[in-house]
Amino acid sequence: DQQVKQNSPSLSVQEGRISILNCDYTNSMFDYFLWYKKYPAEGPTFLISISSIKDKNEDGRFTVFLNKSAKHLSLHIVPSQPGDSAVYFCAAGGAGNTGKLIFGQGTTLQVKP
Amino acid sequence: SQTIHQWPATLVQPVGSPLSLECTVEGTSNPNLYWYRQAAGRGLQLLFYSVGIGQISSEVPQNLSASRPQDRQFILSSKKLLLSDSGFYLCAWSVPLSSYNSPLHFGNGTRLTVT
Repeated sequence: DQQVKQNSPSLSVQEGRISILNCDYTNSMFDYFLWYKKYPAEGPTFLISISSIKDKNEDGRFTVFLNKSAKHLSLHIVPSQPGDSAVYFCAAGGAGNTGKLIFGQGTTLQVKP
Repeated sequence: SQTIHQWPATLVQPVGSPLSLECTVEGTSNPNLYWYRQAAGRGLQLLFYSVGIGQISSEVPQNLSASRPQDRQFILSSKKLLLSDSGFYLCAWSVPLSSYNSPLHFGNGTRLTVT
C-alpha cells in the first residue's frame, strides 16, 4: 500500500515558465511534508517543507501548497531554470521521534532552455 | 557543520556473496540513522532506521540487516546477496526530534549491482 504517490513520472517545461509537481497521500496522520531534489548518482537534497497546520510555504522560487481535505500537495517552481532539471521526490512524516519519511516514486523534471 | 559519509560509491558483487555498506555521521550526537533503497524506476524505500546504539527497526522483510555499533555509525549487511538486492542505497541522518524544519540529510549513496 503506497501511502505517498506521485502519479506523473515526468514533466517537461520551458525555461521561465512555471513547473507544477503534484503529490497525493492517503494517511491523514502525517504531520509534515517535504520536497527533495535529486541529481543522478547523488543523494537527495532537501528543498522545502510544510507543516500540516499550514496550507502554503514559500522559499524564493519554490512554493509548496497543501490541501489537507484532498490529501494533496504540490510544488510550484517559478520561474523554472535549466538547473532545476532533476528528480523531485515528495515525502511525508508523522509524529514521534523516529523521523522516518515515506517517499513518493519521484517525478523527473526537465526544463528546456 | 554536520557531514555524512557513505562508501563505497559503487559496488559490483556476485550473487551469493556477502555485503557490507558503511555510513558515518560527523558533527552531531545521537542522530537518528536510516537506510533507504531506490530500485530502478522506483521511489525511495525505507529499509531500516535507528534511534540509538544497538536499536534497529526494520521496515520491510528482506535479505538485508542493519547494525549500529557506535553512535554515528550505521552498517548495512547481507550474508548472501540476491539479484533483487541491486539498487541505489542511501544512508541518512536526522536530529532526534525531527520535524518539517529539521529533515533528513542524505549521503551520496552506493550503487550496488548484483551479477
